[in-house]
Amino acid sequence: EAQVTQNPRYLITVTGKKLTVTCSQNMNHEYMSWYRQDPGLGLRQIYYSMNVEVTDKGDVPEGYKVSRKEKRNFPLILESPSPNQTSLYFCASSKRGKLTDTQYFGPGTRLTVL
Amino acid sequence: GQNIDQPTEMTATEGAIVQINCTYQTSGFNGLFWYQQHAGEAPTFLSYNVLDGLEEKGRFSSFLSRSKGYSYLLLKELQMKDSASYLCAVIIVSGNTGKLIFGQGTTLQVKP
Repeated sequence: EAQVTQNPRYLITVTGKKLTVTCSQNMNHEYMSWYRQDPGLGLRQIYYSMNVEVTDKGDVPEGYKVSRKEKRNFPLILESPSPNQTSLYFCASSKRGKLTDTQYFGPGTRLTVL
Repeated sequence: GQNIDQPTEMTATEGAIVQINCTYQTSGFNGLFWYQQHAGEAPTFLSYNVLDGLEEKGRFSSFLSRSKGYSYLLLKELQMKDSASYLCAVIIVSGNTGKLIFGQGTTLQVKP
């Protein structure tokens, strides 16, 4: 089944404790992206990757890191999480990286930083 | 700046028709998406419009007027399972760069 997977789905952590949220897609998509979704603010892009070893900042990159060493994986790293990073996170992928391509979203990771 | 407006919430009755509007003030417009998102789930693709007019896909239709900066999603023969948030997203292109900007979403509640 073609899909985007994320792990963990739920995470409660404390301020300053490094964490990684994994994202993997099995559709051989070139483009991958991370979003956060907050009430009243909609989906906002954190980072995106056009292909392996190519990443770039989205609209809200502060406090996050990403890497794209393999085509299928695009982990999101929070080196020192803070309470304002409490949010619902979605990973997405699309075939070619054109903005007109449909994006396929993962199931989401609900993160709480205490 | 770039701005996308959608009503926050709407309520409709099962079997009825509902229209969800999206207005945008952007430069470099290059297309508009509608996504559906059930509570606690991932957004899923509904439609994409880049030219003016109506695109029909089963019970769902999407309309675009580029000159007015306006789109709507029309849902016919509403079913309870249509209760969800509907996200409008606009593609903005400037020079060699572009981005996809999402509106806040409209939460639709379908009542029996």
